Parts: sequence; structure tokens; C-alpha cells
Amino acid sequence: IAGITQAPTSQILAAGRRMTLRCTQDMRHNAMYWYRQDLGLGLRLIHYSNTAGTTGKGEVPDGYSVSRANTDDFPLTLASAVPSQTSVYFCASSGGAGANVLTFGAGSRLTVL
Amino acid sequence: GESVGLHLPTLSVQEGDNSIINCAYSNSASDYFIWYKQESGKGPQFIIDIRSNMDKRQGQRVTVLLNKTVKHLSLQIAATQPGDSAVYFCAERATGGFKTIFGAGTRLFVKA
Repeated sequence: IAGITQAPTSQILAAGRRMTLRCTQDMRHNAMYWYRQDLGLGLRLIHYSNTAGTTGKGEVPDGYSVSRANTDDFPLTLASAVPSQTSVYFCASSGGAGANVLTFGAGSRLTVL
Repeated sequence: GESVGLHLPTLSVQEGDNSIINCAYSNSASDYFIWYKQESGKGPQFIIDIRSNMDKRQGQRVTVLLNKTVKHLSLQIAATQPGDSAVYFCAERATGGFKTIFGAGTRLFVKA
């Protein structure tokens, strides 16, 4: 089934630990995104990549890093997790005829204690 | 700055009635507006979109209205069904841009 796969689905993490959220898409979309979703704040863009090899900062990039070594994968890394990074993280992609429409993964729920 | 907001955080409607979800935006440079539906435990899913050169666009049971004069967007759902219960987000984007800005969301409850 074409779409976006995120892993892990859920994770509890001690503060200060490093964590990488994985995201893979099989739609050959050029652009990929990471959003965090917090109650009452909607979805906020963390980082994006408009094509393999390039990345850009979104609204809330501090404490996060991304890489885009190829078209399909777009991992999000928290170098040293803090409790304020407790959130649900969504990976998304866009491209082709529906370039303005985002296709989302199912999300990764991260709890930092 | 850019912002997309919603007038009502929750909306409760009777099954079979029509639903209207409203959204205000502030970025005049946005020329593309999208509605997403998010069911519990899932990622947002595209419903319908509209470009800034249009006032109205219809889909299956859904209609989006855009009023650029007052920077207002609405989503109308006809004959609301229990399966329509979800959180609905409006979002805006500039053509050629890579940032889609989301509103805070409205939760729709459909009473049987």
C-alpha cells in the first residue's frame, strides 16, 4: 500500500537521550516534512525538505535535526531530548500532480520524562 | 505574522444535519487553502482544497467557501454522518512554497 511509514509508533524516552524518528515514503514525492502536534496548537512545522539533499527549517526547528540522503527517507533526530518535546510527530510528503496536498503518516507518539 | 485560526474549537451536530466549520486566516500572500480531517489515532487526511482565485468549490458532500475580503474560509458538510466525527483543520500555503500553515483544529461531534 503506497504511503508513509513512521517508526516507532510510540516511545517513552528519558530526558537527555538521543532519539531518531524514522519516516519512509514509497510515492516518490520530492518534498517531505516533519510536524509536531500539540493540543490546542495544531500542527507546527519542524523541518522540511523540498528534494533529496536539501533541508530547511520550519516554525519550531530548535532541538531537532533532519537529513535527506535519498528520496524515500527523512529521519528526524532529537540530539538530547527534553520534556517539552513530548508530542505526537507526523511525517508528511507532497509531490507530483498534488504538490500542494500533504500525505501524512500515522504519527509517532513521543513522551520525554 | 502568518496565522490560521478557527472560530469554534468544538462543534456538535445531529446526524443528518449540515455542518459548517469556520476558519480565519491572516496571510494575504497565501493562495491555496486546504481542509484536512483527522480521525483519532491517525494522521490528517486531505478533504478538499481551493485556490485564491475561486470563491467556492464542491466535492462529495463537502463544500469549501473562500471570502478573501474578510479572510475567511469555511467547510460545509452536507447530511453529516457519524463517520464525519473527527478534528478538522484548515491550512494555507503559498504557491511554490514549502510551508503549509495549519490552524488549531475544530472537533466535530455527530450525535446519532
